[in-house]
Amino acid sequence: GQQLNQSPQSMFIQEGEDVSMNCTSSSIFNTWLWYKQDPGEGPVLLIALYKAGELTSNGRLTAQFGITRKDSFLNISASIPSDVGIYFCAGDYNAGNMLTFGGGTRLMVKP
Amino acid sequence: DVKVTQSSRYLVKRTGEKVFLECVQDMDHENMFWYRQDPGLGLRLIYFSYDVKMKEKGDIPEGYSVSREKKERFSLILESASTNQTSMYLCASRSKGGGAYGYTFGSGTRLTVV
Repeated sequence: GQQLNQSPQSMFIQEGEDVSMNCTSSSIFNTWLWYKQDPGEGPVLLIALYKAGELTSNGRLTAQFGITRKDSFLNISASIPSDVGIYFCAGDYNAGNMLTFGGGTRLMVKP
Repeated sequence: DVKVTQSSRYLVKRTGEKVFLECVQDMDHENMFWYRQDPGLGLRLIYFSYDVKMKEKGDIPEGYSVSREKKERFSLILESASTNQTSMYLCASRSKGGGAYGYTFGSGTRLTVV
């Protein structure tokens, strides 16, 4: 099945640094979602985006829905150790039943 | 608080055993999904179900089957477990028509086949 192109695959950063990751697709989506998976747990929704061009923040997290509807990015500012985990993007075309996922970005934070 | 509950967090099974992974949701969702997650491979869809007694193959159904006898419960069955089925298994649910917030995931079952 289709997967979104998510990059980078992994990042190892120093505490306090900012982080940026993105997802691209050859198809358009009407909704973009960003999930975080803590080690040993299931993914949890962080941010949902519903309109092209939309910029949404959730604390230190900021995500944007690309104007072309084919991409999205997630930024984390001033990273802390508990940001460690795998971040997944997901696209939804028609508010249908199944999401399309990116391959994930594994984030490691050095205290 | 809405929930998707996977019955086991960790399982160790022997090669050739029949294995049942159970998933229960309390949100009255029509859609339920089983994924497996392996390092570097992301989330791969095994099976999904849009309603009771309905099931559809995902991307990697070989070696697996599913059962959905009740709306709240979606079971993944490994007919004869093999070592290459050692993985993290994630169950998810979603309301019909999508729902504004995508999937709700369970906490996962880490299965080791020895």
